[in-house]
Amino acid sequence: DAGVIQSPRHEVTEMGQEVTLRCKPISGHNSLFWYRQTMMRGLELLIYFNNNVPIDDSGMPEDRFSAKMPNASFSTLKIQPSEPRDSAVYFCASSPGLTGIAFFGQGTRLTVV
Amino acid sequence: GESVGLHLPTLSVQEGDNSIINCAYSNSASDYFIWYKQESGKGPQFIIDIRSNMDKRQGQRVTVLLNKTVKHLSLQIAATQPGDSAVYFCAENRATGNQFYFGTGTSLTVIP
Repeated sequence: DAGVIQSPRHEVTEMGQEVTLRCKPISGHNSLFWYRQTMMRGLELLIYFNNNVPIDDSGMPEDRFSAKMPNASFSTLKIQPSEPRDSAVYFCASSPGLTGIAFFGQGTRLTVV
Repeated sequence: GESVGLHLPTLSVQEGDNSIINCAYSNSASDYFIWYKQESGKGPQFIIDIRSNMDKRQGQRVTVLLNKTVKHLSLQIAATQPGDSAVYFCAENRATGNQFYFGTGTSLTVIP
């Protein structure tokens, strides 16, 4: 299995631009998570899907952030408009649900200048 | 102004020695815990898990201890190797769903 696949690995964008991060979970996993990692705040859970339905988005920082999961094999996290304080590493993780073990992708390092 | 980041606890051990990494969790209702290892430039990687009906679980070279009374977890790594150098996180499931909440992490450096 290829594991959780995220793209792009690195993204540099200008303030005000729209950014879309992509994630392909492990096949057969029915739970998907988006996390953000910064030196200031550590690993923060942003949003969690189960069977493609958003279950808990209380960690999404602002309305500028949105996440979708149109099908079981794809999810996006969008930031519009982006701001320098959004600079972080964004991780996607998936789990088979029953065991709860989340498997992480390699992350997308976002820099907003 | 000066930016303030998380103060990451650090642990340095000699190669071959045993390592003990500690974690305090916050929610007494948490019933499932996982230790993750994160190497530089990579995502967190599962090491070992434990449920609240257990107080000890062993894996290959790793042991997790759970003390629910004081809400404390520890990860013991036997015969620490240079490849064990990484940041280690404990994550708790707060029994409200399938999501996990991560601690601040501990940076382990193994000295050859």
